[in-house]
Amino acid sequence: DAGVIQSPRHEVTEMGQEVTLRCKPISGHNSLFWYRQTMMRGLELLIYFNNNVPIDDSGMPEDRFSAKMPNASFSTLKIQPSEPRDSAVYFCASSLGQDSNNEQFFGPGTRLTVL
Amino acid sequence: QQQVKQSPQSLIVQKGGIPIINCAYENTAFDYFPWYQQFPGKGPALLIAIRPDVSEKKEGRFTISFNKSAKQFSLHIMDSQPGDSATYFCAARSGGYQKVTFGTGTKLQVIP
Repeated sequence: DAGVIQSPRHEVTEMGQEVTLRCKPISGHNSLFWYRQTMMRGLELLIYFNNNVPIDDSGMPEDRFSAKMPNASFSTLKIQPSEPRDSAVYFCASSLGQDSNNEQFFGPGTRLTVL
Repeated sequence: QQQVKQSPQSLIVQKGGIPIINCAYENTAFDYFPWYQQFPGKGPALLIAIRPDVSEKKEGRFTISFNKSAKQFSLHIMDSQPGDSATYFCAARSGGYQKVTFGTGTKLQVIP
C-alpha cells in the first residue's frame, strides 16, 4: 500500500489567495484526520471524519478553514483567504475506525508558506 | 489548555546513552498513551503505546514507564543510536474517541 497520500508537498502562496490541500487515505480506513504542525503550537488536530462525516471540527481555527470528505478515498482542506499565520505543515492521517487502539497513519505533510 | 505536558524540549546524548522523555497529563479519562517518532520531512509514526493497566512496556530498545497515580509516563531509549535522532511526541487518547492530544515534542540528537 502507498500509505496516506498528500498533495501538494509544498505550497507557496500570497496572502489572500485560496489554498486547497488534498489527501487520499489508506484504502479501507474509515477515519481521517487533518492536523497542523507549527513550532509554536506543536501538532494540533483540526478536524476528523468517520465514514466521511465530520465528527469533531473544534480545532478548526476560524471560518477561513473548511474541510470536506466527499467520498472514502478523498478529502480536502481549504483555506480562503489565506494569511501568513497559516504557514505551517499540514498533515493528513487515517485509521481503521473508532476503536481507540487503531493506529493513525500520517501522510508526508504539505508545507504551506503564505507570503 | 495543554492537556499533555512534555519535557525536555530538546535532548542531546552520546551514542549508547539512555535518553528519557517525560510526559504528564491532566485528563483522567485518557486511557491510551501512544508515542510517535518523527523524522525531518516526514509525518509522525507510531513507535510504542501503553494502556494504564500496566506500569511498563518494552518493544526492542524502547520502553514506556507509566505511573497512573502521578499521571505521568516516560519513554526510555536503551543503547541509543544516531539513527534514533528524531522528534518524539507523547500523546493521549480517551476510550472510544479518536481525538489524540499530543505533547509539544522532544527533539533528540544522538551524537556518534
